Amino acid sequence: GAGVSQSPSNKVTEKGKDVELRCDPISGHTALYWYRQRLGQGLEFLIYFQGNSAPDKSGLPSDRFSAERTGESVSTLTIQRTQQEDSAVYLCASSLYYKQPQHFGDGTRLSIL
Amino acid sequence: EDKVVQSPLSLVVHEGDTVTLNCSYEVTNFRSLLWYKQEKKAPTFLFMLTSSGIEKKSGRLSSILDKKELFSILNITATQTGDSAVYLCAVEGDDKIIFGKGTRLHILP
Repeated sequence: GAGVSQSPSNKVTEKGKDVELRCDPISGHTALYWYRQRLGQGLEFLIYFQGNSAPDKSGLPSDRFSAERTGESVSTLTIQRTQQEDSAVYLCASSLYYKQPQHFGDGTRLSIL
Repeated sequence: EDKVVQSPLSLVVHEGDTVTLNCSYEVTNFRSLLWYKQEKKAPTFLFMLTSSGIEKKSGRLSSILDKKELFSILNITATQTGDSAVYLCAVEGDDKIIFGKGTRLHILP
């Protein structure tokens, strides 16, 4: 695609529910990144994929967070048993190779009631 | 602990002014420093700096890195209202990318 696509753009859910966020990177980009941005804060790095491998998962806030990537394509970020503190914008980015400049999607705004 | 600190946190200037945004860092095994502009949603890439003392320039924007003193500056000359945004600094280290909290820049017409 022309850019990084994220869906849904907005998600409102009740505390305790599971949510799944999707990211479609730019075609041909091998690296994919997930970030969380709380209101008024900078970007918090969560995880990156090189291909479908995630070398470092230490940025994930808790074991309720997990992420997968299929080949060098779509990635999903899953949050189980959501808490109000999970409310944030979740941004996905991709780059041709790891450590190249990243192209960001518009994010998913997640609100936990 | 690895960290990236940007200053000022916010800045309001008049159109035509020149601004300097600062980014200092402490990161294990530094690889590169990047600047992004974030308006409403997706940050857009501005510069990637890996070597000290080499200025990167794009129109009215320029940036330079000092790896000895562990900081970078982003300069914007002859500012325009369209420059209003949050400017994010990110530093890449060992399998880790750390973003600063950003500088919110507002340009008054």
